[in-house]
Amino acid sequence: DTEVTQTPKHLVMGMTNKKSLKCEQHMGHRAMYWYKQKAKKPPELMFVYSYEKLSINESVPSRFSPECPNSSLLNLHLHALQPEDSALYLCASSPQKGRAEKLFFGSGTQLSVL
Amino acid sequence: DAKTTQPPSMDCAEGRAANLPCNHSTISGNEYVYWYRQIHSQGPQYIIHGLKNNETNEMASLIITEDRKSSTLILPHATLRDTAVYYCIVMAGANNLFFGTGTRLTVIP
Repeated sequence: DTEVTQTPKHLVMGMTNKKSLKCEQHMGHRAMYWYKQKAKKPPELMFVYSYEKLSINESVPSRFSPECPNSSLLNLHLHALQPEDSALYLCASSPQKGRAEKLFFGSGTQLSVL
Repeated sequence: DAKTTQPPSMDCAEGRAANLPCNHSTISGNEYVYWYRQIHSQGPQYIIHGLKNNETNEMASLIITEDRKSSTLILPHATLRDTAVYYCIVMAGANNLFFGTGTRLTVIP
């Protein structure tokens, strides 16, 4: 099983809503990542978790709040988002941090903020 | 500062070899060259990586120049399913993957 599963696939939310994105992997990977991708742009790294601890926060606004409750699960909690936060949010995992040849991505959650 | 430079787009006839170039003139001695691709509506997918030597796997070949300042990804027999954005990335081990702008490859029937 080399799959990273993201739910939901699509999400529409208002600027006052609170929602969460979920990412799951069962490959035994100990590093998990959130990327944000705007249309026709490359993915941008947001957060890195290593052994369930936040390792890197790439200066992401506090309206995005990551959580790694266990080694298989990664959440991204969203609150008071802006329309410019509309994007594809990609989750990825690798056996350890930095193993780019073993980095697996999910298909993403397409988020629209109204 | 951009670590890699790739042409924004390329076309390739189906069944022909697709050769995707990448310049990385400021690459450091401990940095690898990685190639990923992203097919529409999917997450990026690892293709191949190398340090100095040429590499080949079931998906592609990677040719790195002797001075390591540029490389070429070769898809030997392109199919329509190879239409995607191809990203060339340089990074040292244990760092994180940062994507550049990539090359949009269109395989034409």
